[in-house]
Amino acid sequence: KQEVTQIPAALSVPEGENLVLNCSFTDSAIYNLQWFRQDPGKGLTSLLLIQSSQREQTSGRLNASLDKSSGRSTLYIAASQPGDSATYLCAVRPRNSGYALNFGKGTSLLVTP
Amino acid sequence: DTAVSQTPKYLVTQMGNDKSIKCEQNLGHDTMYWYKQDSKKFLKIMFSYNNKELIINETVPNRFSPKSPDKAHLNLHINSLELGDSAVYFCASSQAGQGTQQYFGPGTRLTVT
Repeated sequence: KQEVTQIPAALSVPEGENLVLNCSFTDSAIYNLQWFRQDPGKGLTSLLLIQSSQREQTSGRLNASLDKSSGRSTLYIAASQPGDSATYLCAVRPRNSGYALNFGKGTSLLVTP
Repeated sequence: DTAVSQTPKYLVTQMGNDKSIKCEQNLGHDTMYWYKQDSKKFLKIMFSYNNKELIINETVPNRFSPKSPDKAHLNLHINSLELGDSAVYFCASSQAGQGTQQYFGPGTRLTVT
């Protein structure tokens, strides 16, 4: 059974720092991996989607990498801003899931001014 | 225009009642999903559905049933509500296919008293 783990569970950094969020998964048989952002009381916003054949994706200050063989992904946020404060969720689409996503429990990020 | 919408946003009801949550997507997707986010913010798949196949997470009680009047809608019906059903329910959609991205609705916060 696919399990997704995110470390750390919570992170507080001062504005301007570069930071890395980690995601690991137990079964490398995946179609893709998606990073989401969730603001308190809100829905999920998709940040980046990495296909299983890709190594990384970039969008603005965000860069996500994927090492499928080792079951790891990282989300790199450059020059963090207070507006980046949210919970970041990692999700994988296993090959046997019927297209559903398996989520990690998230990293709660606080960027202080 | 909202891509994936849900109604209601909030639902407060008493134990034993039957309720429905509606979901609509205007993306032309052919696969839709229901996820449950529990009090610890952990997201788990409940159902995935397209016009060919319904896949049910084996842990979902049979009091929960998805109903799809057409490709753009997947409603969630819950019978005999229990306190433990209190959670945020998210609808999502995607194109069928291995590498496609999922888009989430804003969520419905269900509180059972």
